[in-house]
Amino acid sequence: NAGVTQTPKFQVLKTGQSMTLQCAQDMNHNSMYWYRQDPGMGLRLIYYSASEGTTDKGEVPNGYNVSRLNKREFSLRLESAAPSQTSVYFCASSLIGRETQYFGPGTRLLVL
Amino acid sequence: AQSVTQLDSQVPVFEEAPVELRCNYSSSVSVYLFWYVQYPNQGLQLLLKYLSGSTLVKGINGFEAEFNKSQTSFHLRKPSVHISDTAEYFCAVSLQYNTDKLIFGTGTRLQVFP
Repeated sequence: NAGVTQTPKFQVLKTGQSMTLQCAQDMNHNSMYWYRQDPGMGLRLIYYSASEGTTDKGEVPNGYNVSRLNKREFSLRLESAAPSQTSVYFCASSLIGRETQYFGPGTRLLVL
Repeated sequence: AQSVTQLDSQVPVFEEAPVELRCNYSSSVSVYLFWYVQYPNQGLQLLLKYLSGSTLVKGINGFEAEFNKSQTSFHLRKPSVHISDTAEYFCAVSLQYNTDKLIFGTGTRLQVFP
């Protein structure tokens, strides 16, 4: 039982490059989330998906797009990376909204 | 909009001493409350949550928290800490009518010294 997996673990990009962060869960959860974690700012919600086929903006959606590919997978895309997007990105999932969120190990992204 | 304030960014404490990590929230509607812990280089994991019922909530690893509606607080306590409790602790809140939007505080780094 892998829980929530994220790829890649680390990534270095140059300004303007694009990339997709992948997330998958094997717990049959309905809701999935993308957060970014920056020093002194806690975790901030980028986008979430309450069910397959739906996505909604969180606190800091600008510069990102998401796709809920199926019930298991939720990807985050940076179309044109900027240094301000240097952060640690966490994917999480929960059975439904108010239940426990289970987090992946994170992706450390550096944009030069 | 709701918000969460964790009043202490760092809390140093000696092993076997009690600890309290403070959390206050702001919301005009009813909320659900959570405490998550993050060990170094890992994702977050749930310590405990308050959805309804008893205002004293017990979680994993001997932690507990008390929901105080009048003071809009949800402070986390442990009567005797261990070295292994060294981690970052996050308080979070969601609105009862939109439970998918979890708002986190900025975190409190608990450092336990021998």
